[in-house]
Amino acid sequence: SQQGEEDPQALSIQEGENATMNCSYKTSINNLQWYRQNSGRGLVHLILIRSNEREKHSGRLRVTLDTSKKSSSLLITASRAADTASYFCATVLNTGNQFYFGTGTSLTVIP
Amino acid sequence: DSGVTQTPKHLITATGQRVTLRCSPRSGDLSVYWYQQSLDQGLQFLIQYYNGEERAKGNILERFSAQQFPDLHSELNLSSLELGDSALYFCASSVGHPYTGELFFGEGSRLTVL
Repeated sequence: SQQGEEDPQALSIQEGENATMNCSYKTSINNLQWYRQNSGRGLVHLILIRSNEREKHSGRLRVTLDTSKKSSSLLITASRAADTASYFCATVLNTGNQFYFGTGTSLTVIP
Repeated sequence: DSGVTQTPKHLITATGQRVTLRCSPRSGDLSVYWYQQSLDQGLQFLIQYYNGEERAKGNILERFSAQQFPDLHSELNLSSLELGDSALYFCASSVGHPYTGELFFGEGSRLTVL
């Protein structure tokens, strides 16, 4: 399978703490994207990092990409209860069009 | 609101039946992607259409089929339904092909097969 795999499967933290989740994948990619899914809702795009980038920031989000290890991490700083959701990484191949999602990390932020 | 519309939101049916899920992409988007999300399997890519033509195929069962119409809306047909087909079915859209940017997802159609 070309899907990414997120780790951990579930994460529970206190409000204000940082949350880190990881994604590993198998093939060469054009870019890697992170999405958020509130319970039972559609996925919402958070951030995209290209294969020639190593780190990217967006607000409280920090994403890193290590193409040699075929892995990425998403850091959410100063977490809030509203960050409670599932987070998915999606790998995008150079051919485009095919987006492979992992099984997600379920994040619970306790107020 | 992503601009992608999926109907119906919920659907309950029996094994052996056939259902049709509908997706309207964002205005201006020509590509439509279908995904299946089961409880323990994450999002499985099913199929992608661009401007009416099938462009990529994933883990789509032979009992499932899809098409994209001239007005760019898409339908996913699921037949001979089995209990294991119970899942959330998502549609996403994008503007071009080939495409590597962000996808815009609908809110999904929850299918329950009894």
